[in-house]
Amino acid sequence: GDSVTQMEGPVTLSEEAFLTINCTYTATGYPSLFWYVQYPGEGLQLLLKATKADDKGSNKGFEATYRKETTSFHLEKGSVQVSDSAVYFCALIPASNAGNMLTFGGGTRLMVKP
Amino acid sequence: NAGVMQNPRHLVRRRGQEARLRCSPMKGHSHVYWYRQLPEEGLKFMVYLQKENIIDESGMPKERFSAEFPKEGPSILRIQQVVRGDSAAYFCASSPDTRKGGYTFGSGTRLTVV
Repeated sequence: GDSVTQMEGPVTLSEEAFLTINCTYTATGYPSLFWYVQYPGEGLQLLLKATKADDKGSNKGFEATYRKETTSFHLEKGSVQVSDSAVYFCALIPASNAGNMLTFGGGTRLMVKP
Repeated sequence: NAGVMQNPRHLVRRRGQEARLRCSPMKGHSHVYWYRQLPEEGLKFMVYLQKENIIDESGMPKERFSAEFPKEGPSILRIQQVVRGDSAAYFCASSPDTRKGGYTFGSGTRLTVV
């Protein structure tokens, strides 16, 4: 079945460091890919998405590129801030999924220190 | 325009009691999804409903769990005879249609079974 694998956390960085959170997926065809962010005690917020190969999603300084050849959608940010501390989830919706249900990775906790 | 409203935010139940979780979708949204997040894990799809219909309940445990989305009022996720393993955060999301990922999450209900 479809699945998403993320690097395990926590990832601890100093402010202004470069961030990469790896995400790879298993799915047939061309799924839609997403990154969600969850701040402490809150629900999930959509951070960015990409719906076809080579698309780049971007938002708030975060970027991720849909790589079909490596089945990856790694999240990057050039300079993290303390306020970016949160849990990040990679997710997909299969192309064949008429119901629009998300399959999530296990999440990666990011901690940014001043 | 209020977002997806879930209540209660926190719910404590003793083993064997019933838990009722409510979700009011965004105005104009007729699609509702329930997800469960076990401690330190990603979200897992439970059930997808449209008004008065269960469309996909493939992620719902076969016993003790039920969901409804009546013509009037919020969607309800009901857990009968709760056990400690039901302790989790339950998130609801709603969407106006089935565009890939076009939905909004609520802040969740955190259920603790003691």
